[in-house]
Amino acid sequence: RKEVEQDPGPFNVPEGATVAFNCTYSNSASQSFFWYRQDCRKEPKLLMSVYSSGNEDGRFTAQLNRASQYISLLIRDSKLSDSATYLCVVNIKGSSNTGKLIFGQGTTLQVKP
Amino acid sequence: DTEVTQTPKHLVMGMTNKKSLKCEQHMGHRAMYWYKQKAKKPPELMFVYSYEKLSINESVPSRFSPECPNSSLLNLHLHALQPEDSALYLCASSQFSGQATGELFFGEGSRLTVL
Repeated sequence: RKEVEQDPGPFNVPEGATVAFNCTYSNSASQSFFWYRQDCRKEPKLLMSVYSSGNEDGRFTAQLNRASQYISLLIRDSKLSDSATYLCVVNIKGSSNTGKLIFGQGTTLQVKP
Repeated sequence: DTEVTQTPKHLVMGMTNKKSLKCEQHMGHRAMYWYKQKAKKPPELMFVYSYEKLSINESVPSRFSPECPNSSLLNLHLHALQPEDSALYLCASSQFSGQATGELFFGEGSRLTVL
């Protein structure tokens, strides 16, 4: 089982649609969770951190379910500019006090007019 | 503009060449990372430096040699690479490494082509 798994998509949605992405992780000791966005031929950029209580930033809502070991990202009222690859990132516990941030394979979103 | 600067942006090298990729950050971050990204794949962790010491090596072949001269600089020395090593090499930094690693700040990457 992969450490971090996502449905690669692509998700093709019309403008204004609501779309949700899920991500599962294998290490129950993971403490930090993030959603990154990556545009074509660009570097990944942080979209939002994911907190236990869930958090919202404008049209974007992130949720964490520790019991089921998954995180989600909800995008409301999709815009053309939301078209990108969305990467789930999880801190995987390493030996001693190390941790490493591992990326899921990414989910591609294409928002169409 | 990214606060992590990588040079060069593009590099073409032969299999017998020796080259280096450079990365610099001035955010006072104590952890720096090298990731490798192939087309349509996610970034794959290669190395982590924490407080200028190598803390994680993800079983990377020895033809890739990282170096952290100081807390602001990270190099990746390349020697005897193979064509399959062609990829985007991303440098990143974070305030700390460890169990509660925070946000990663990425450079724009160095796109490497090995002929």
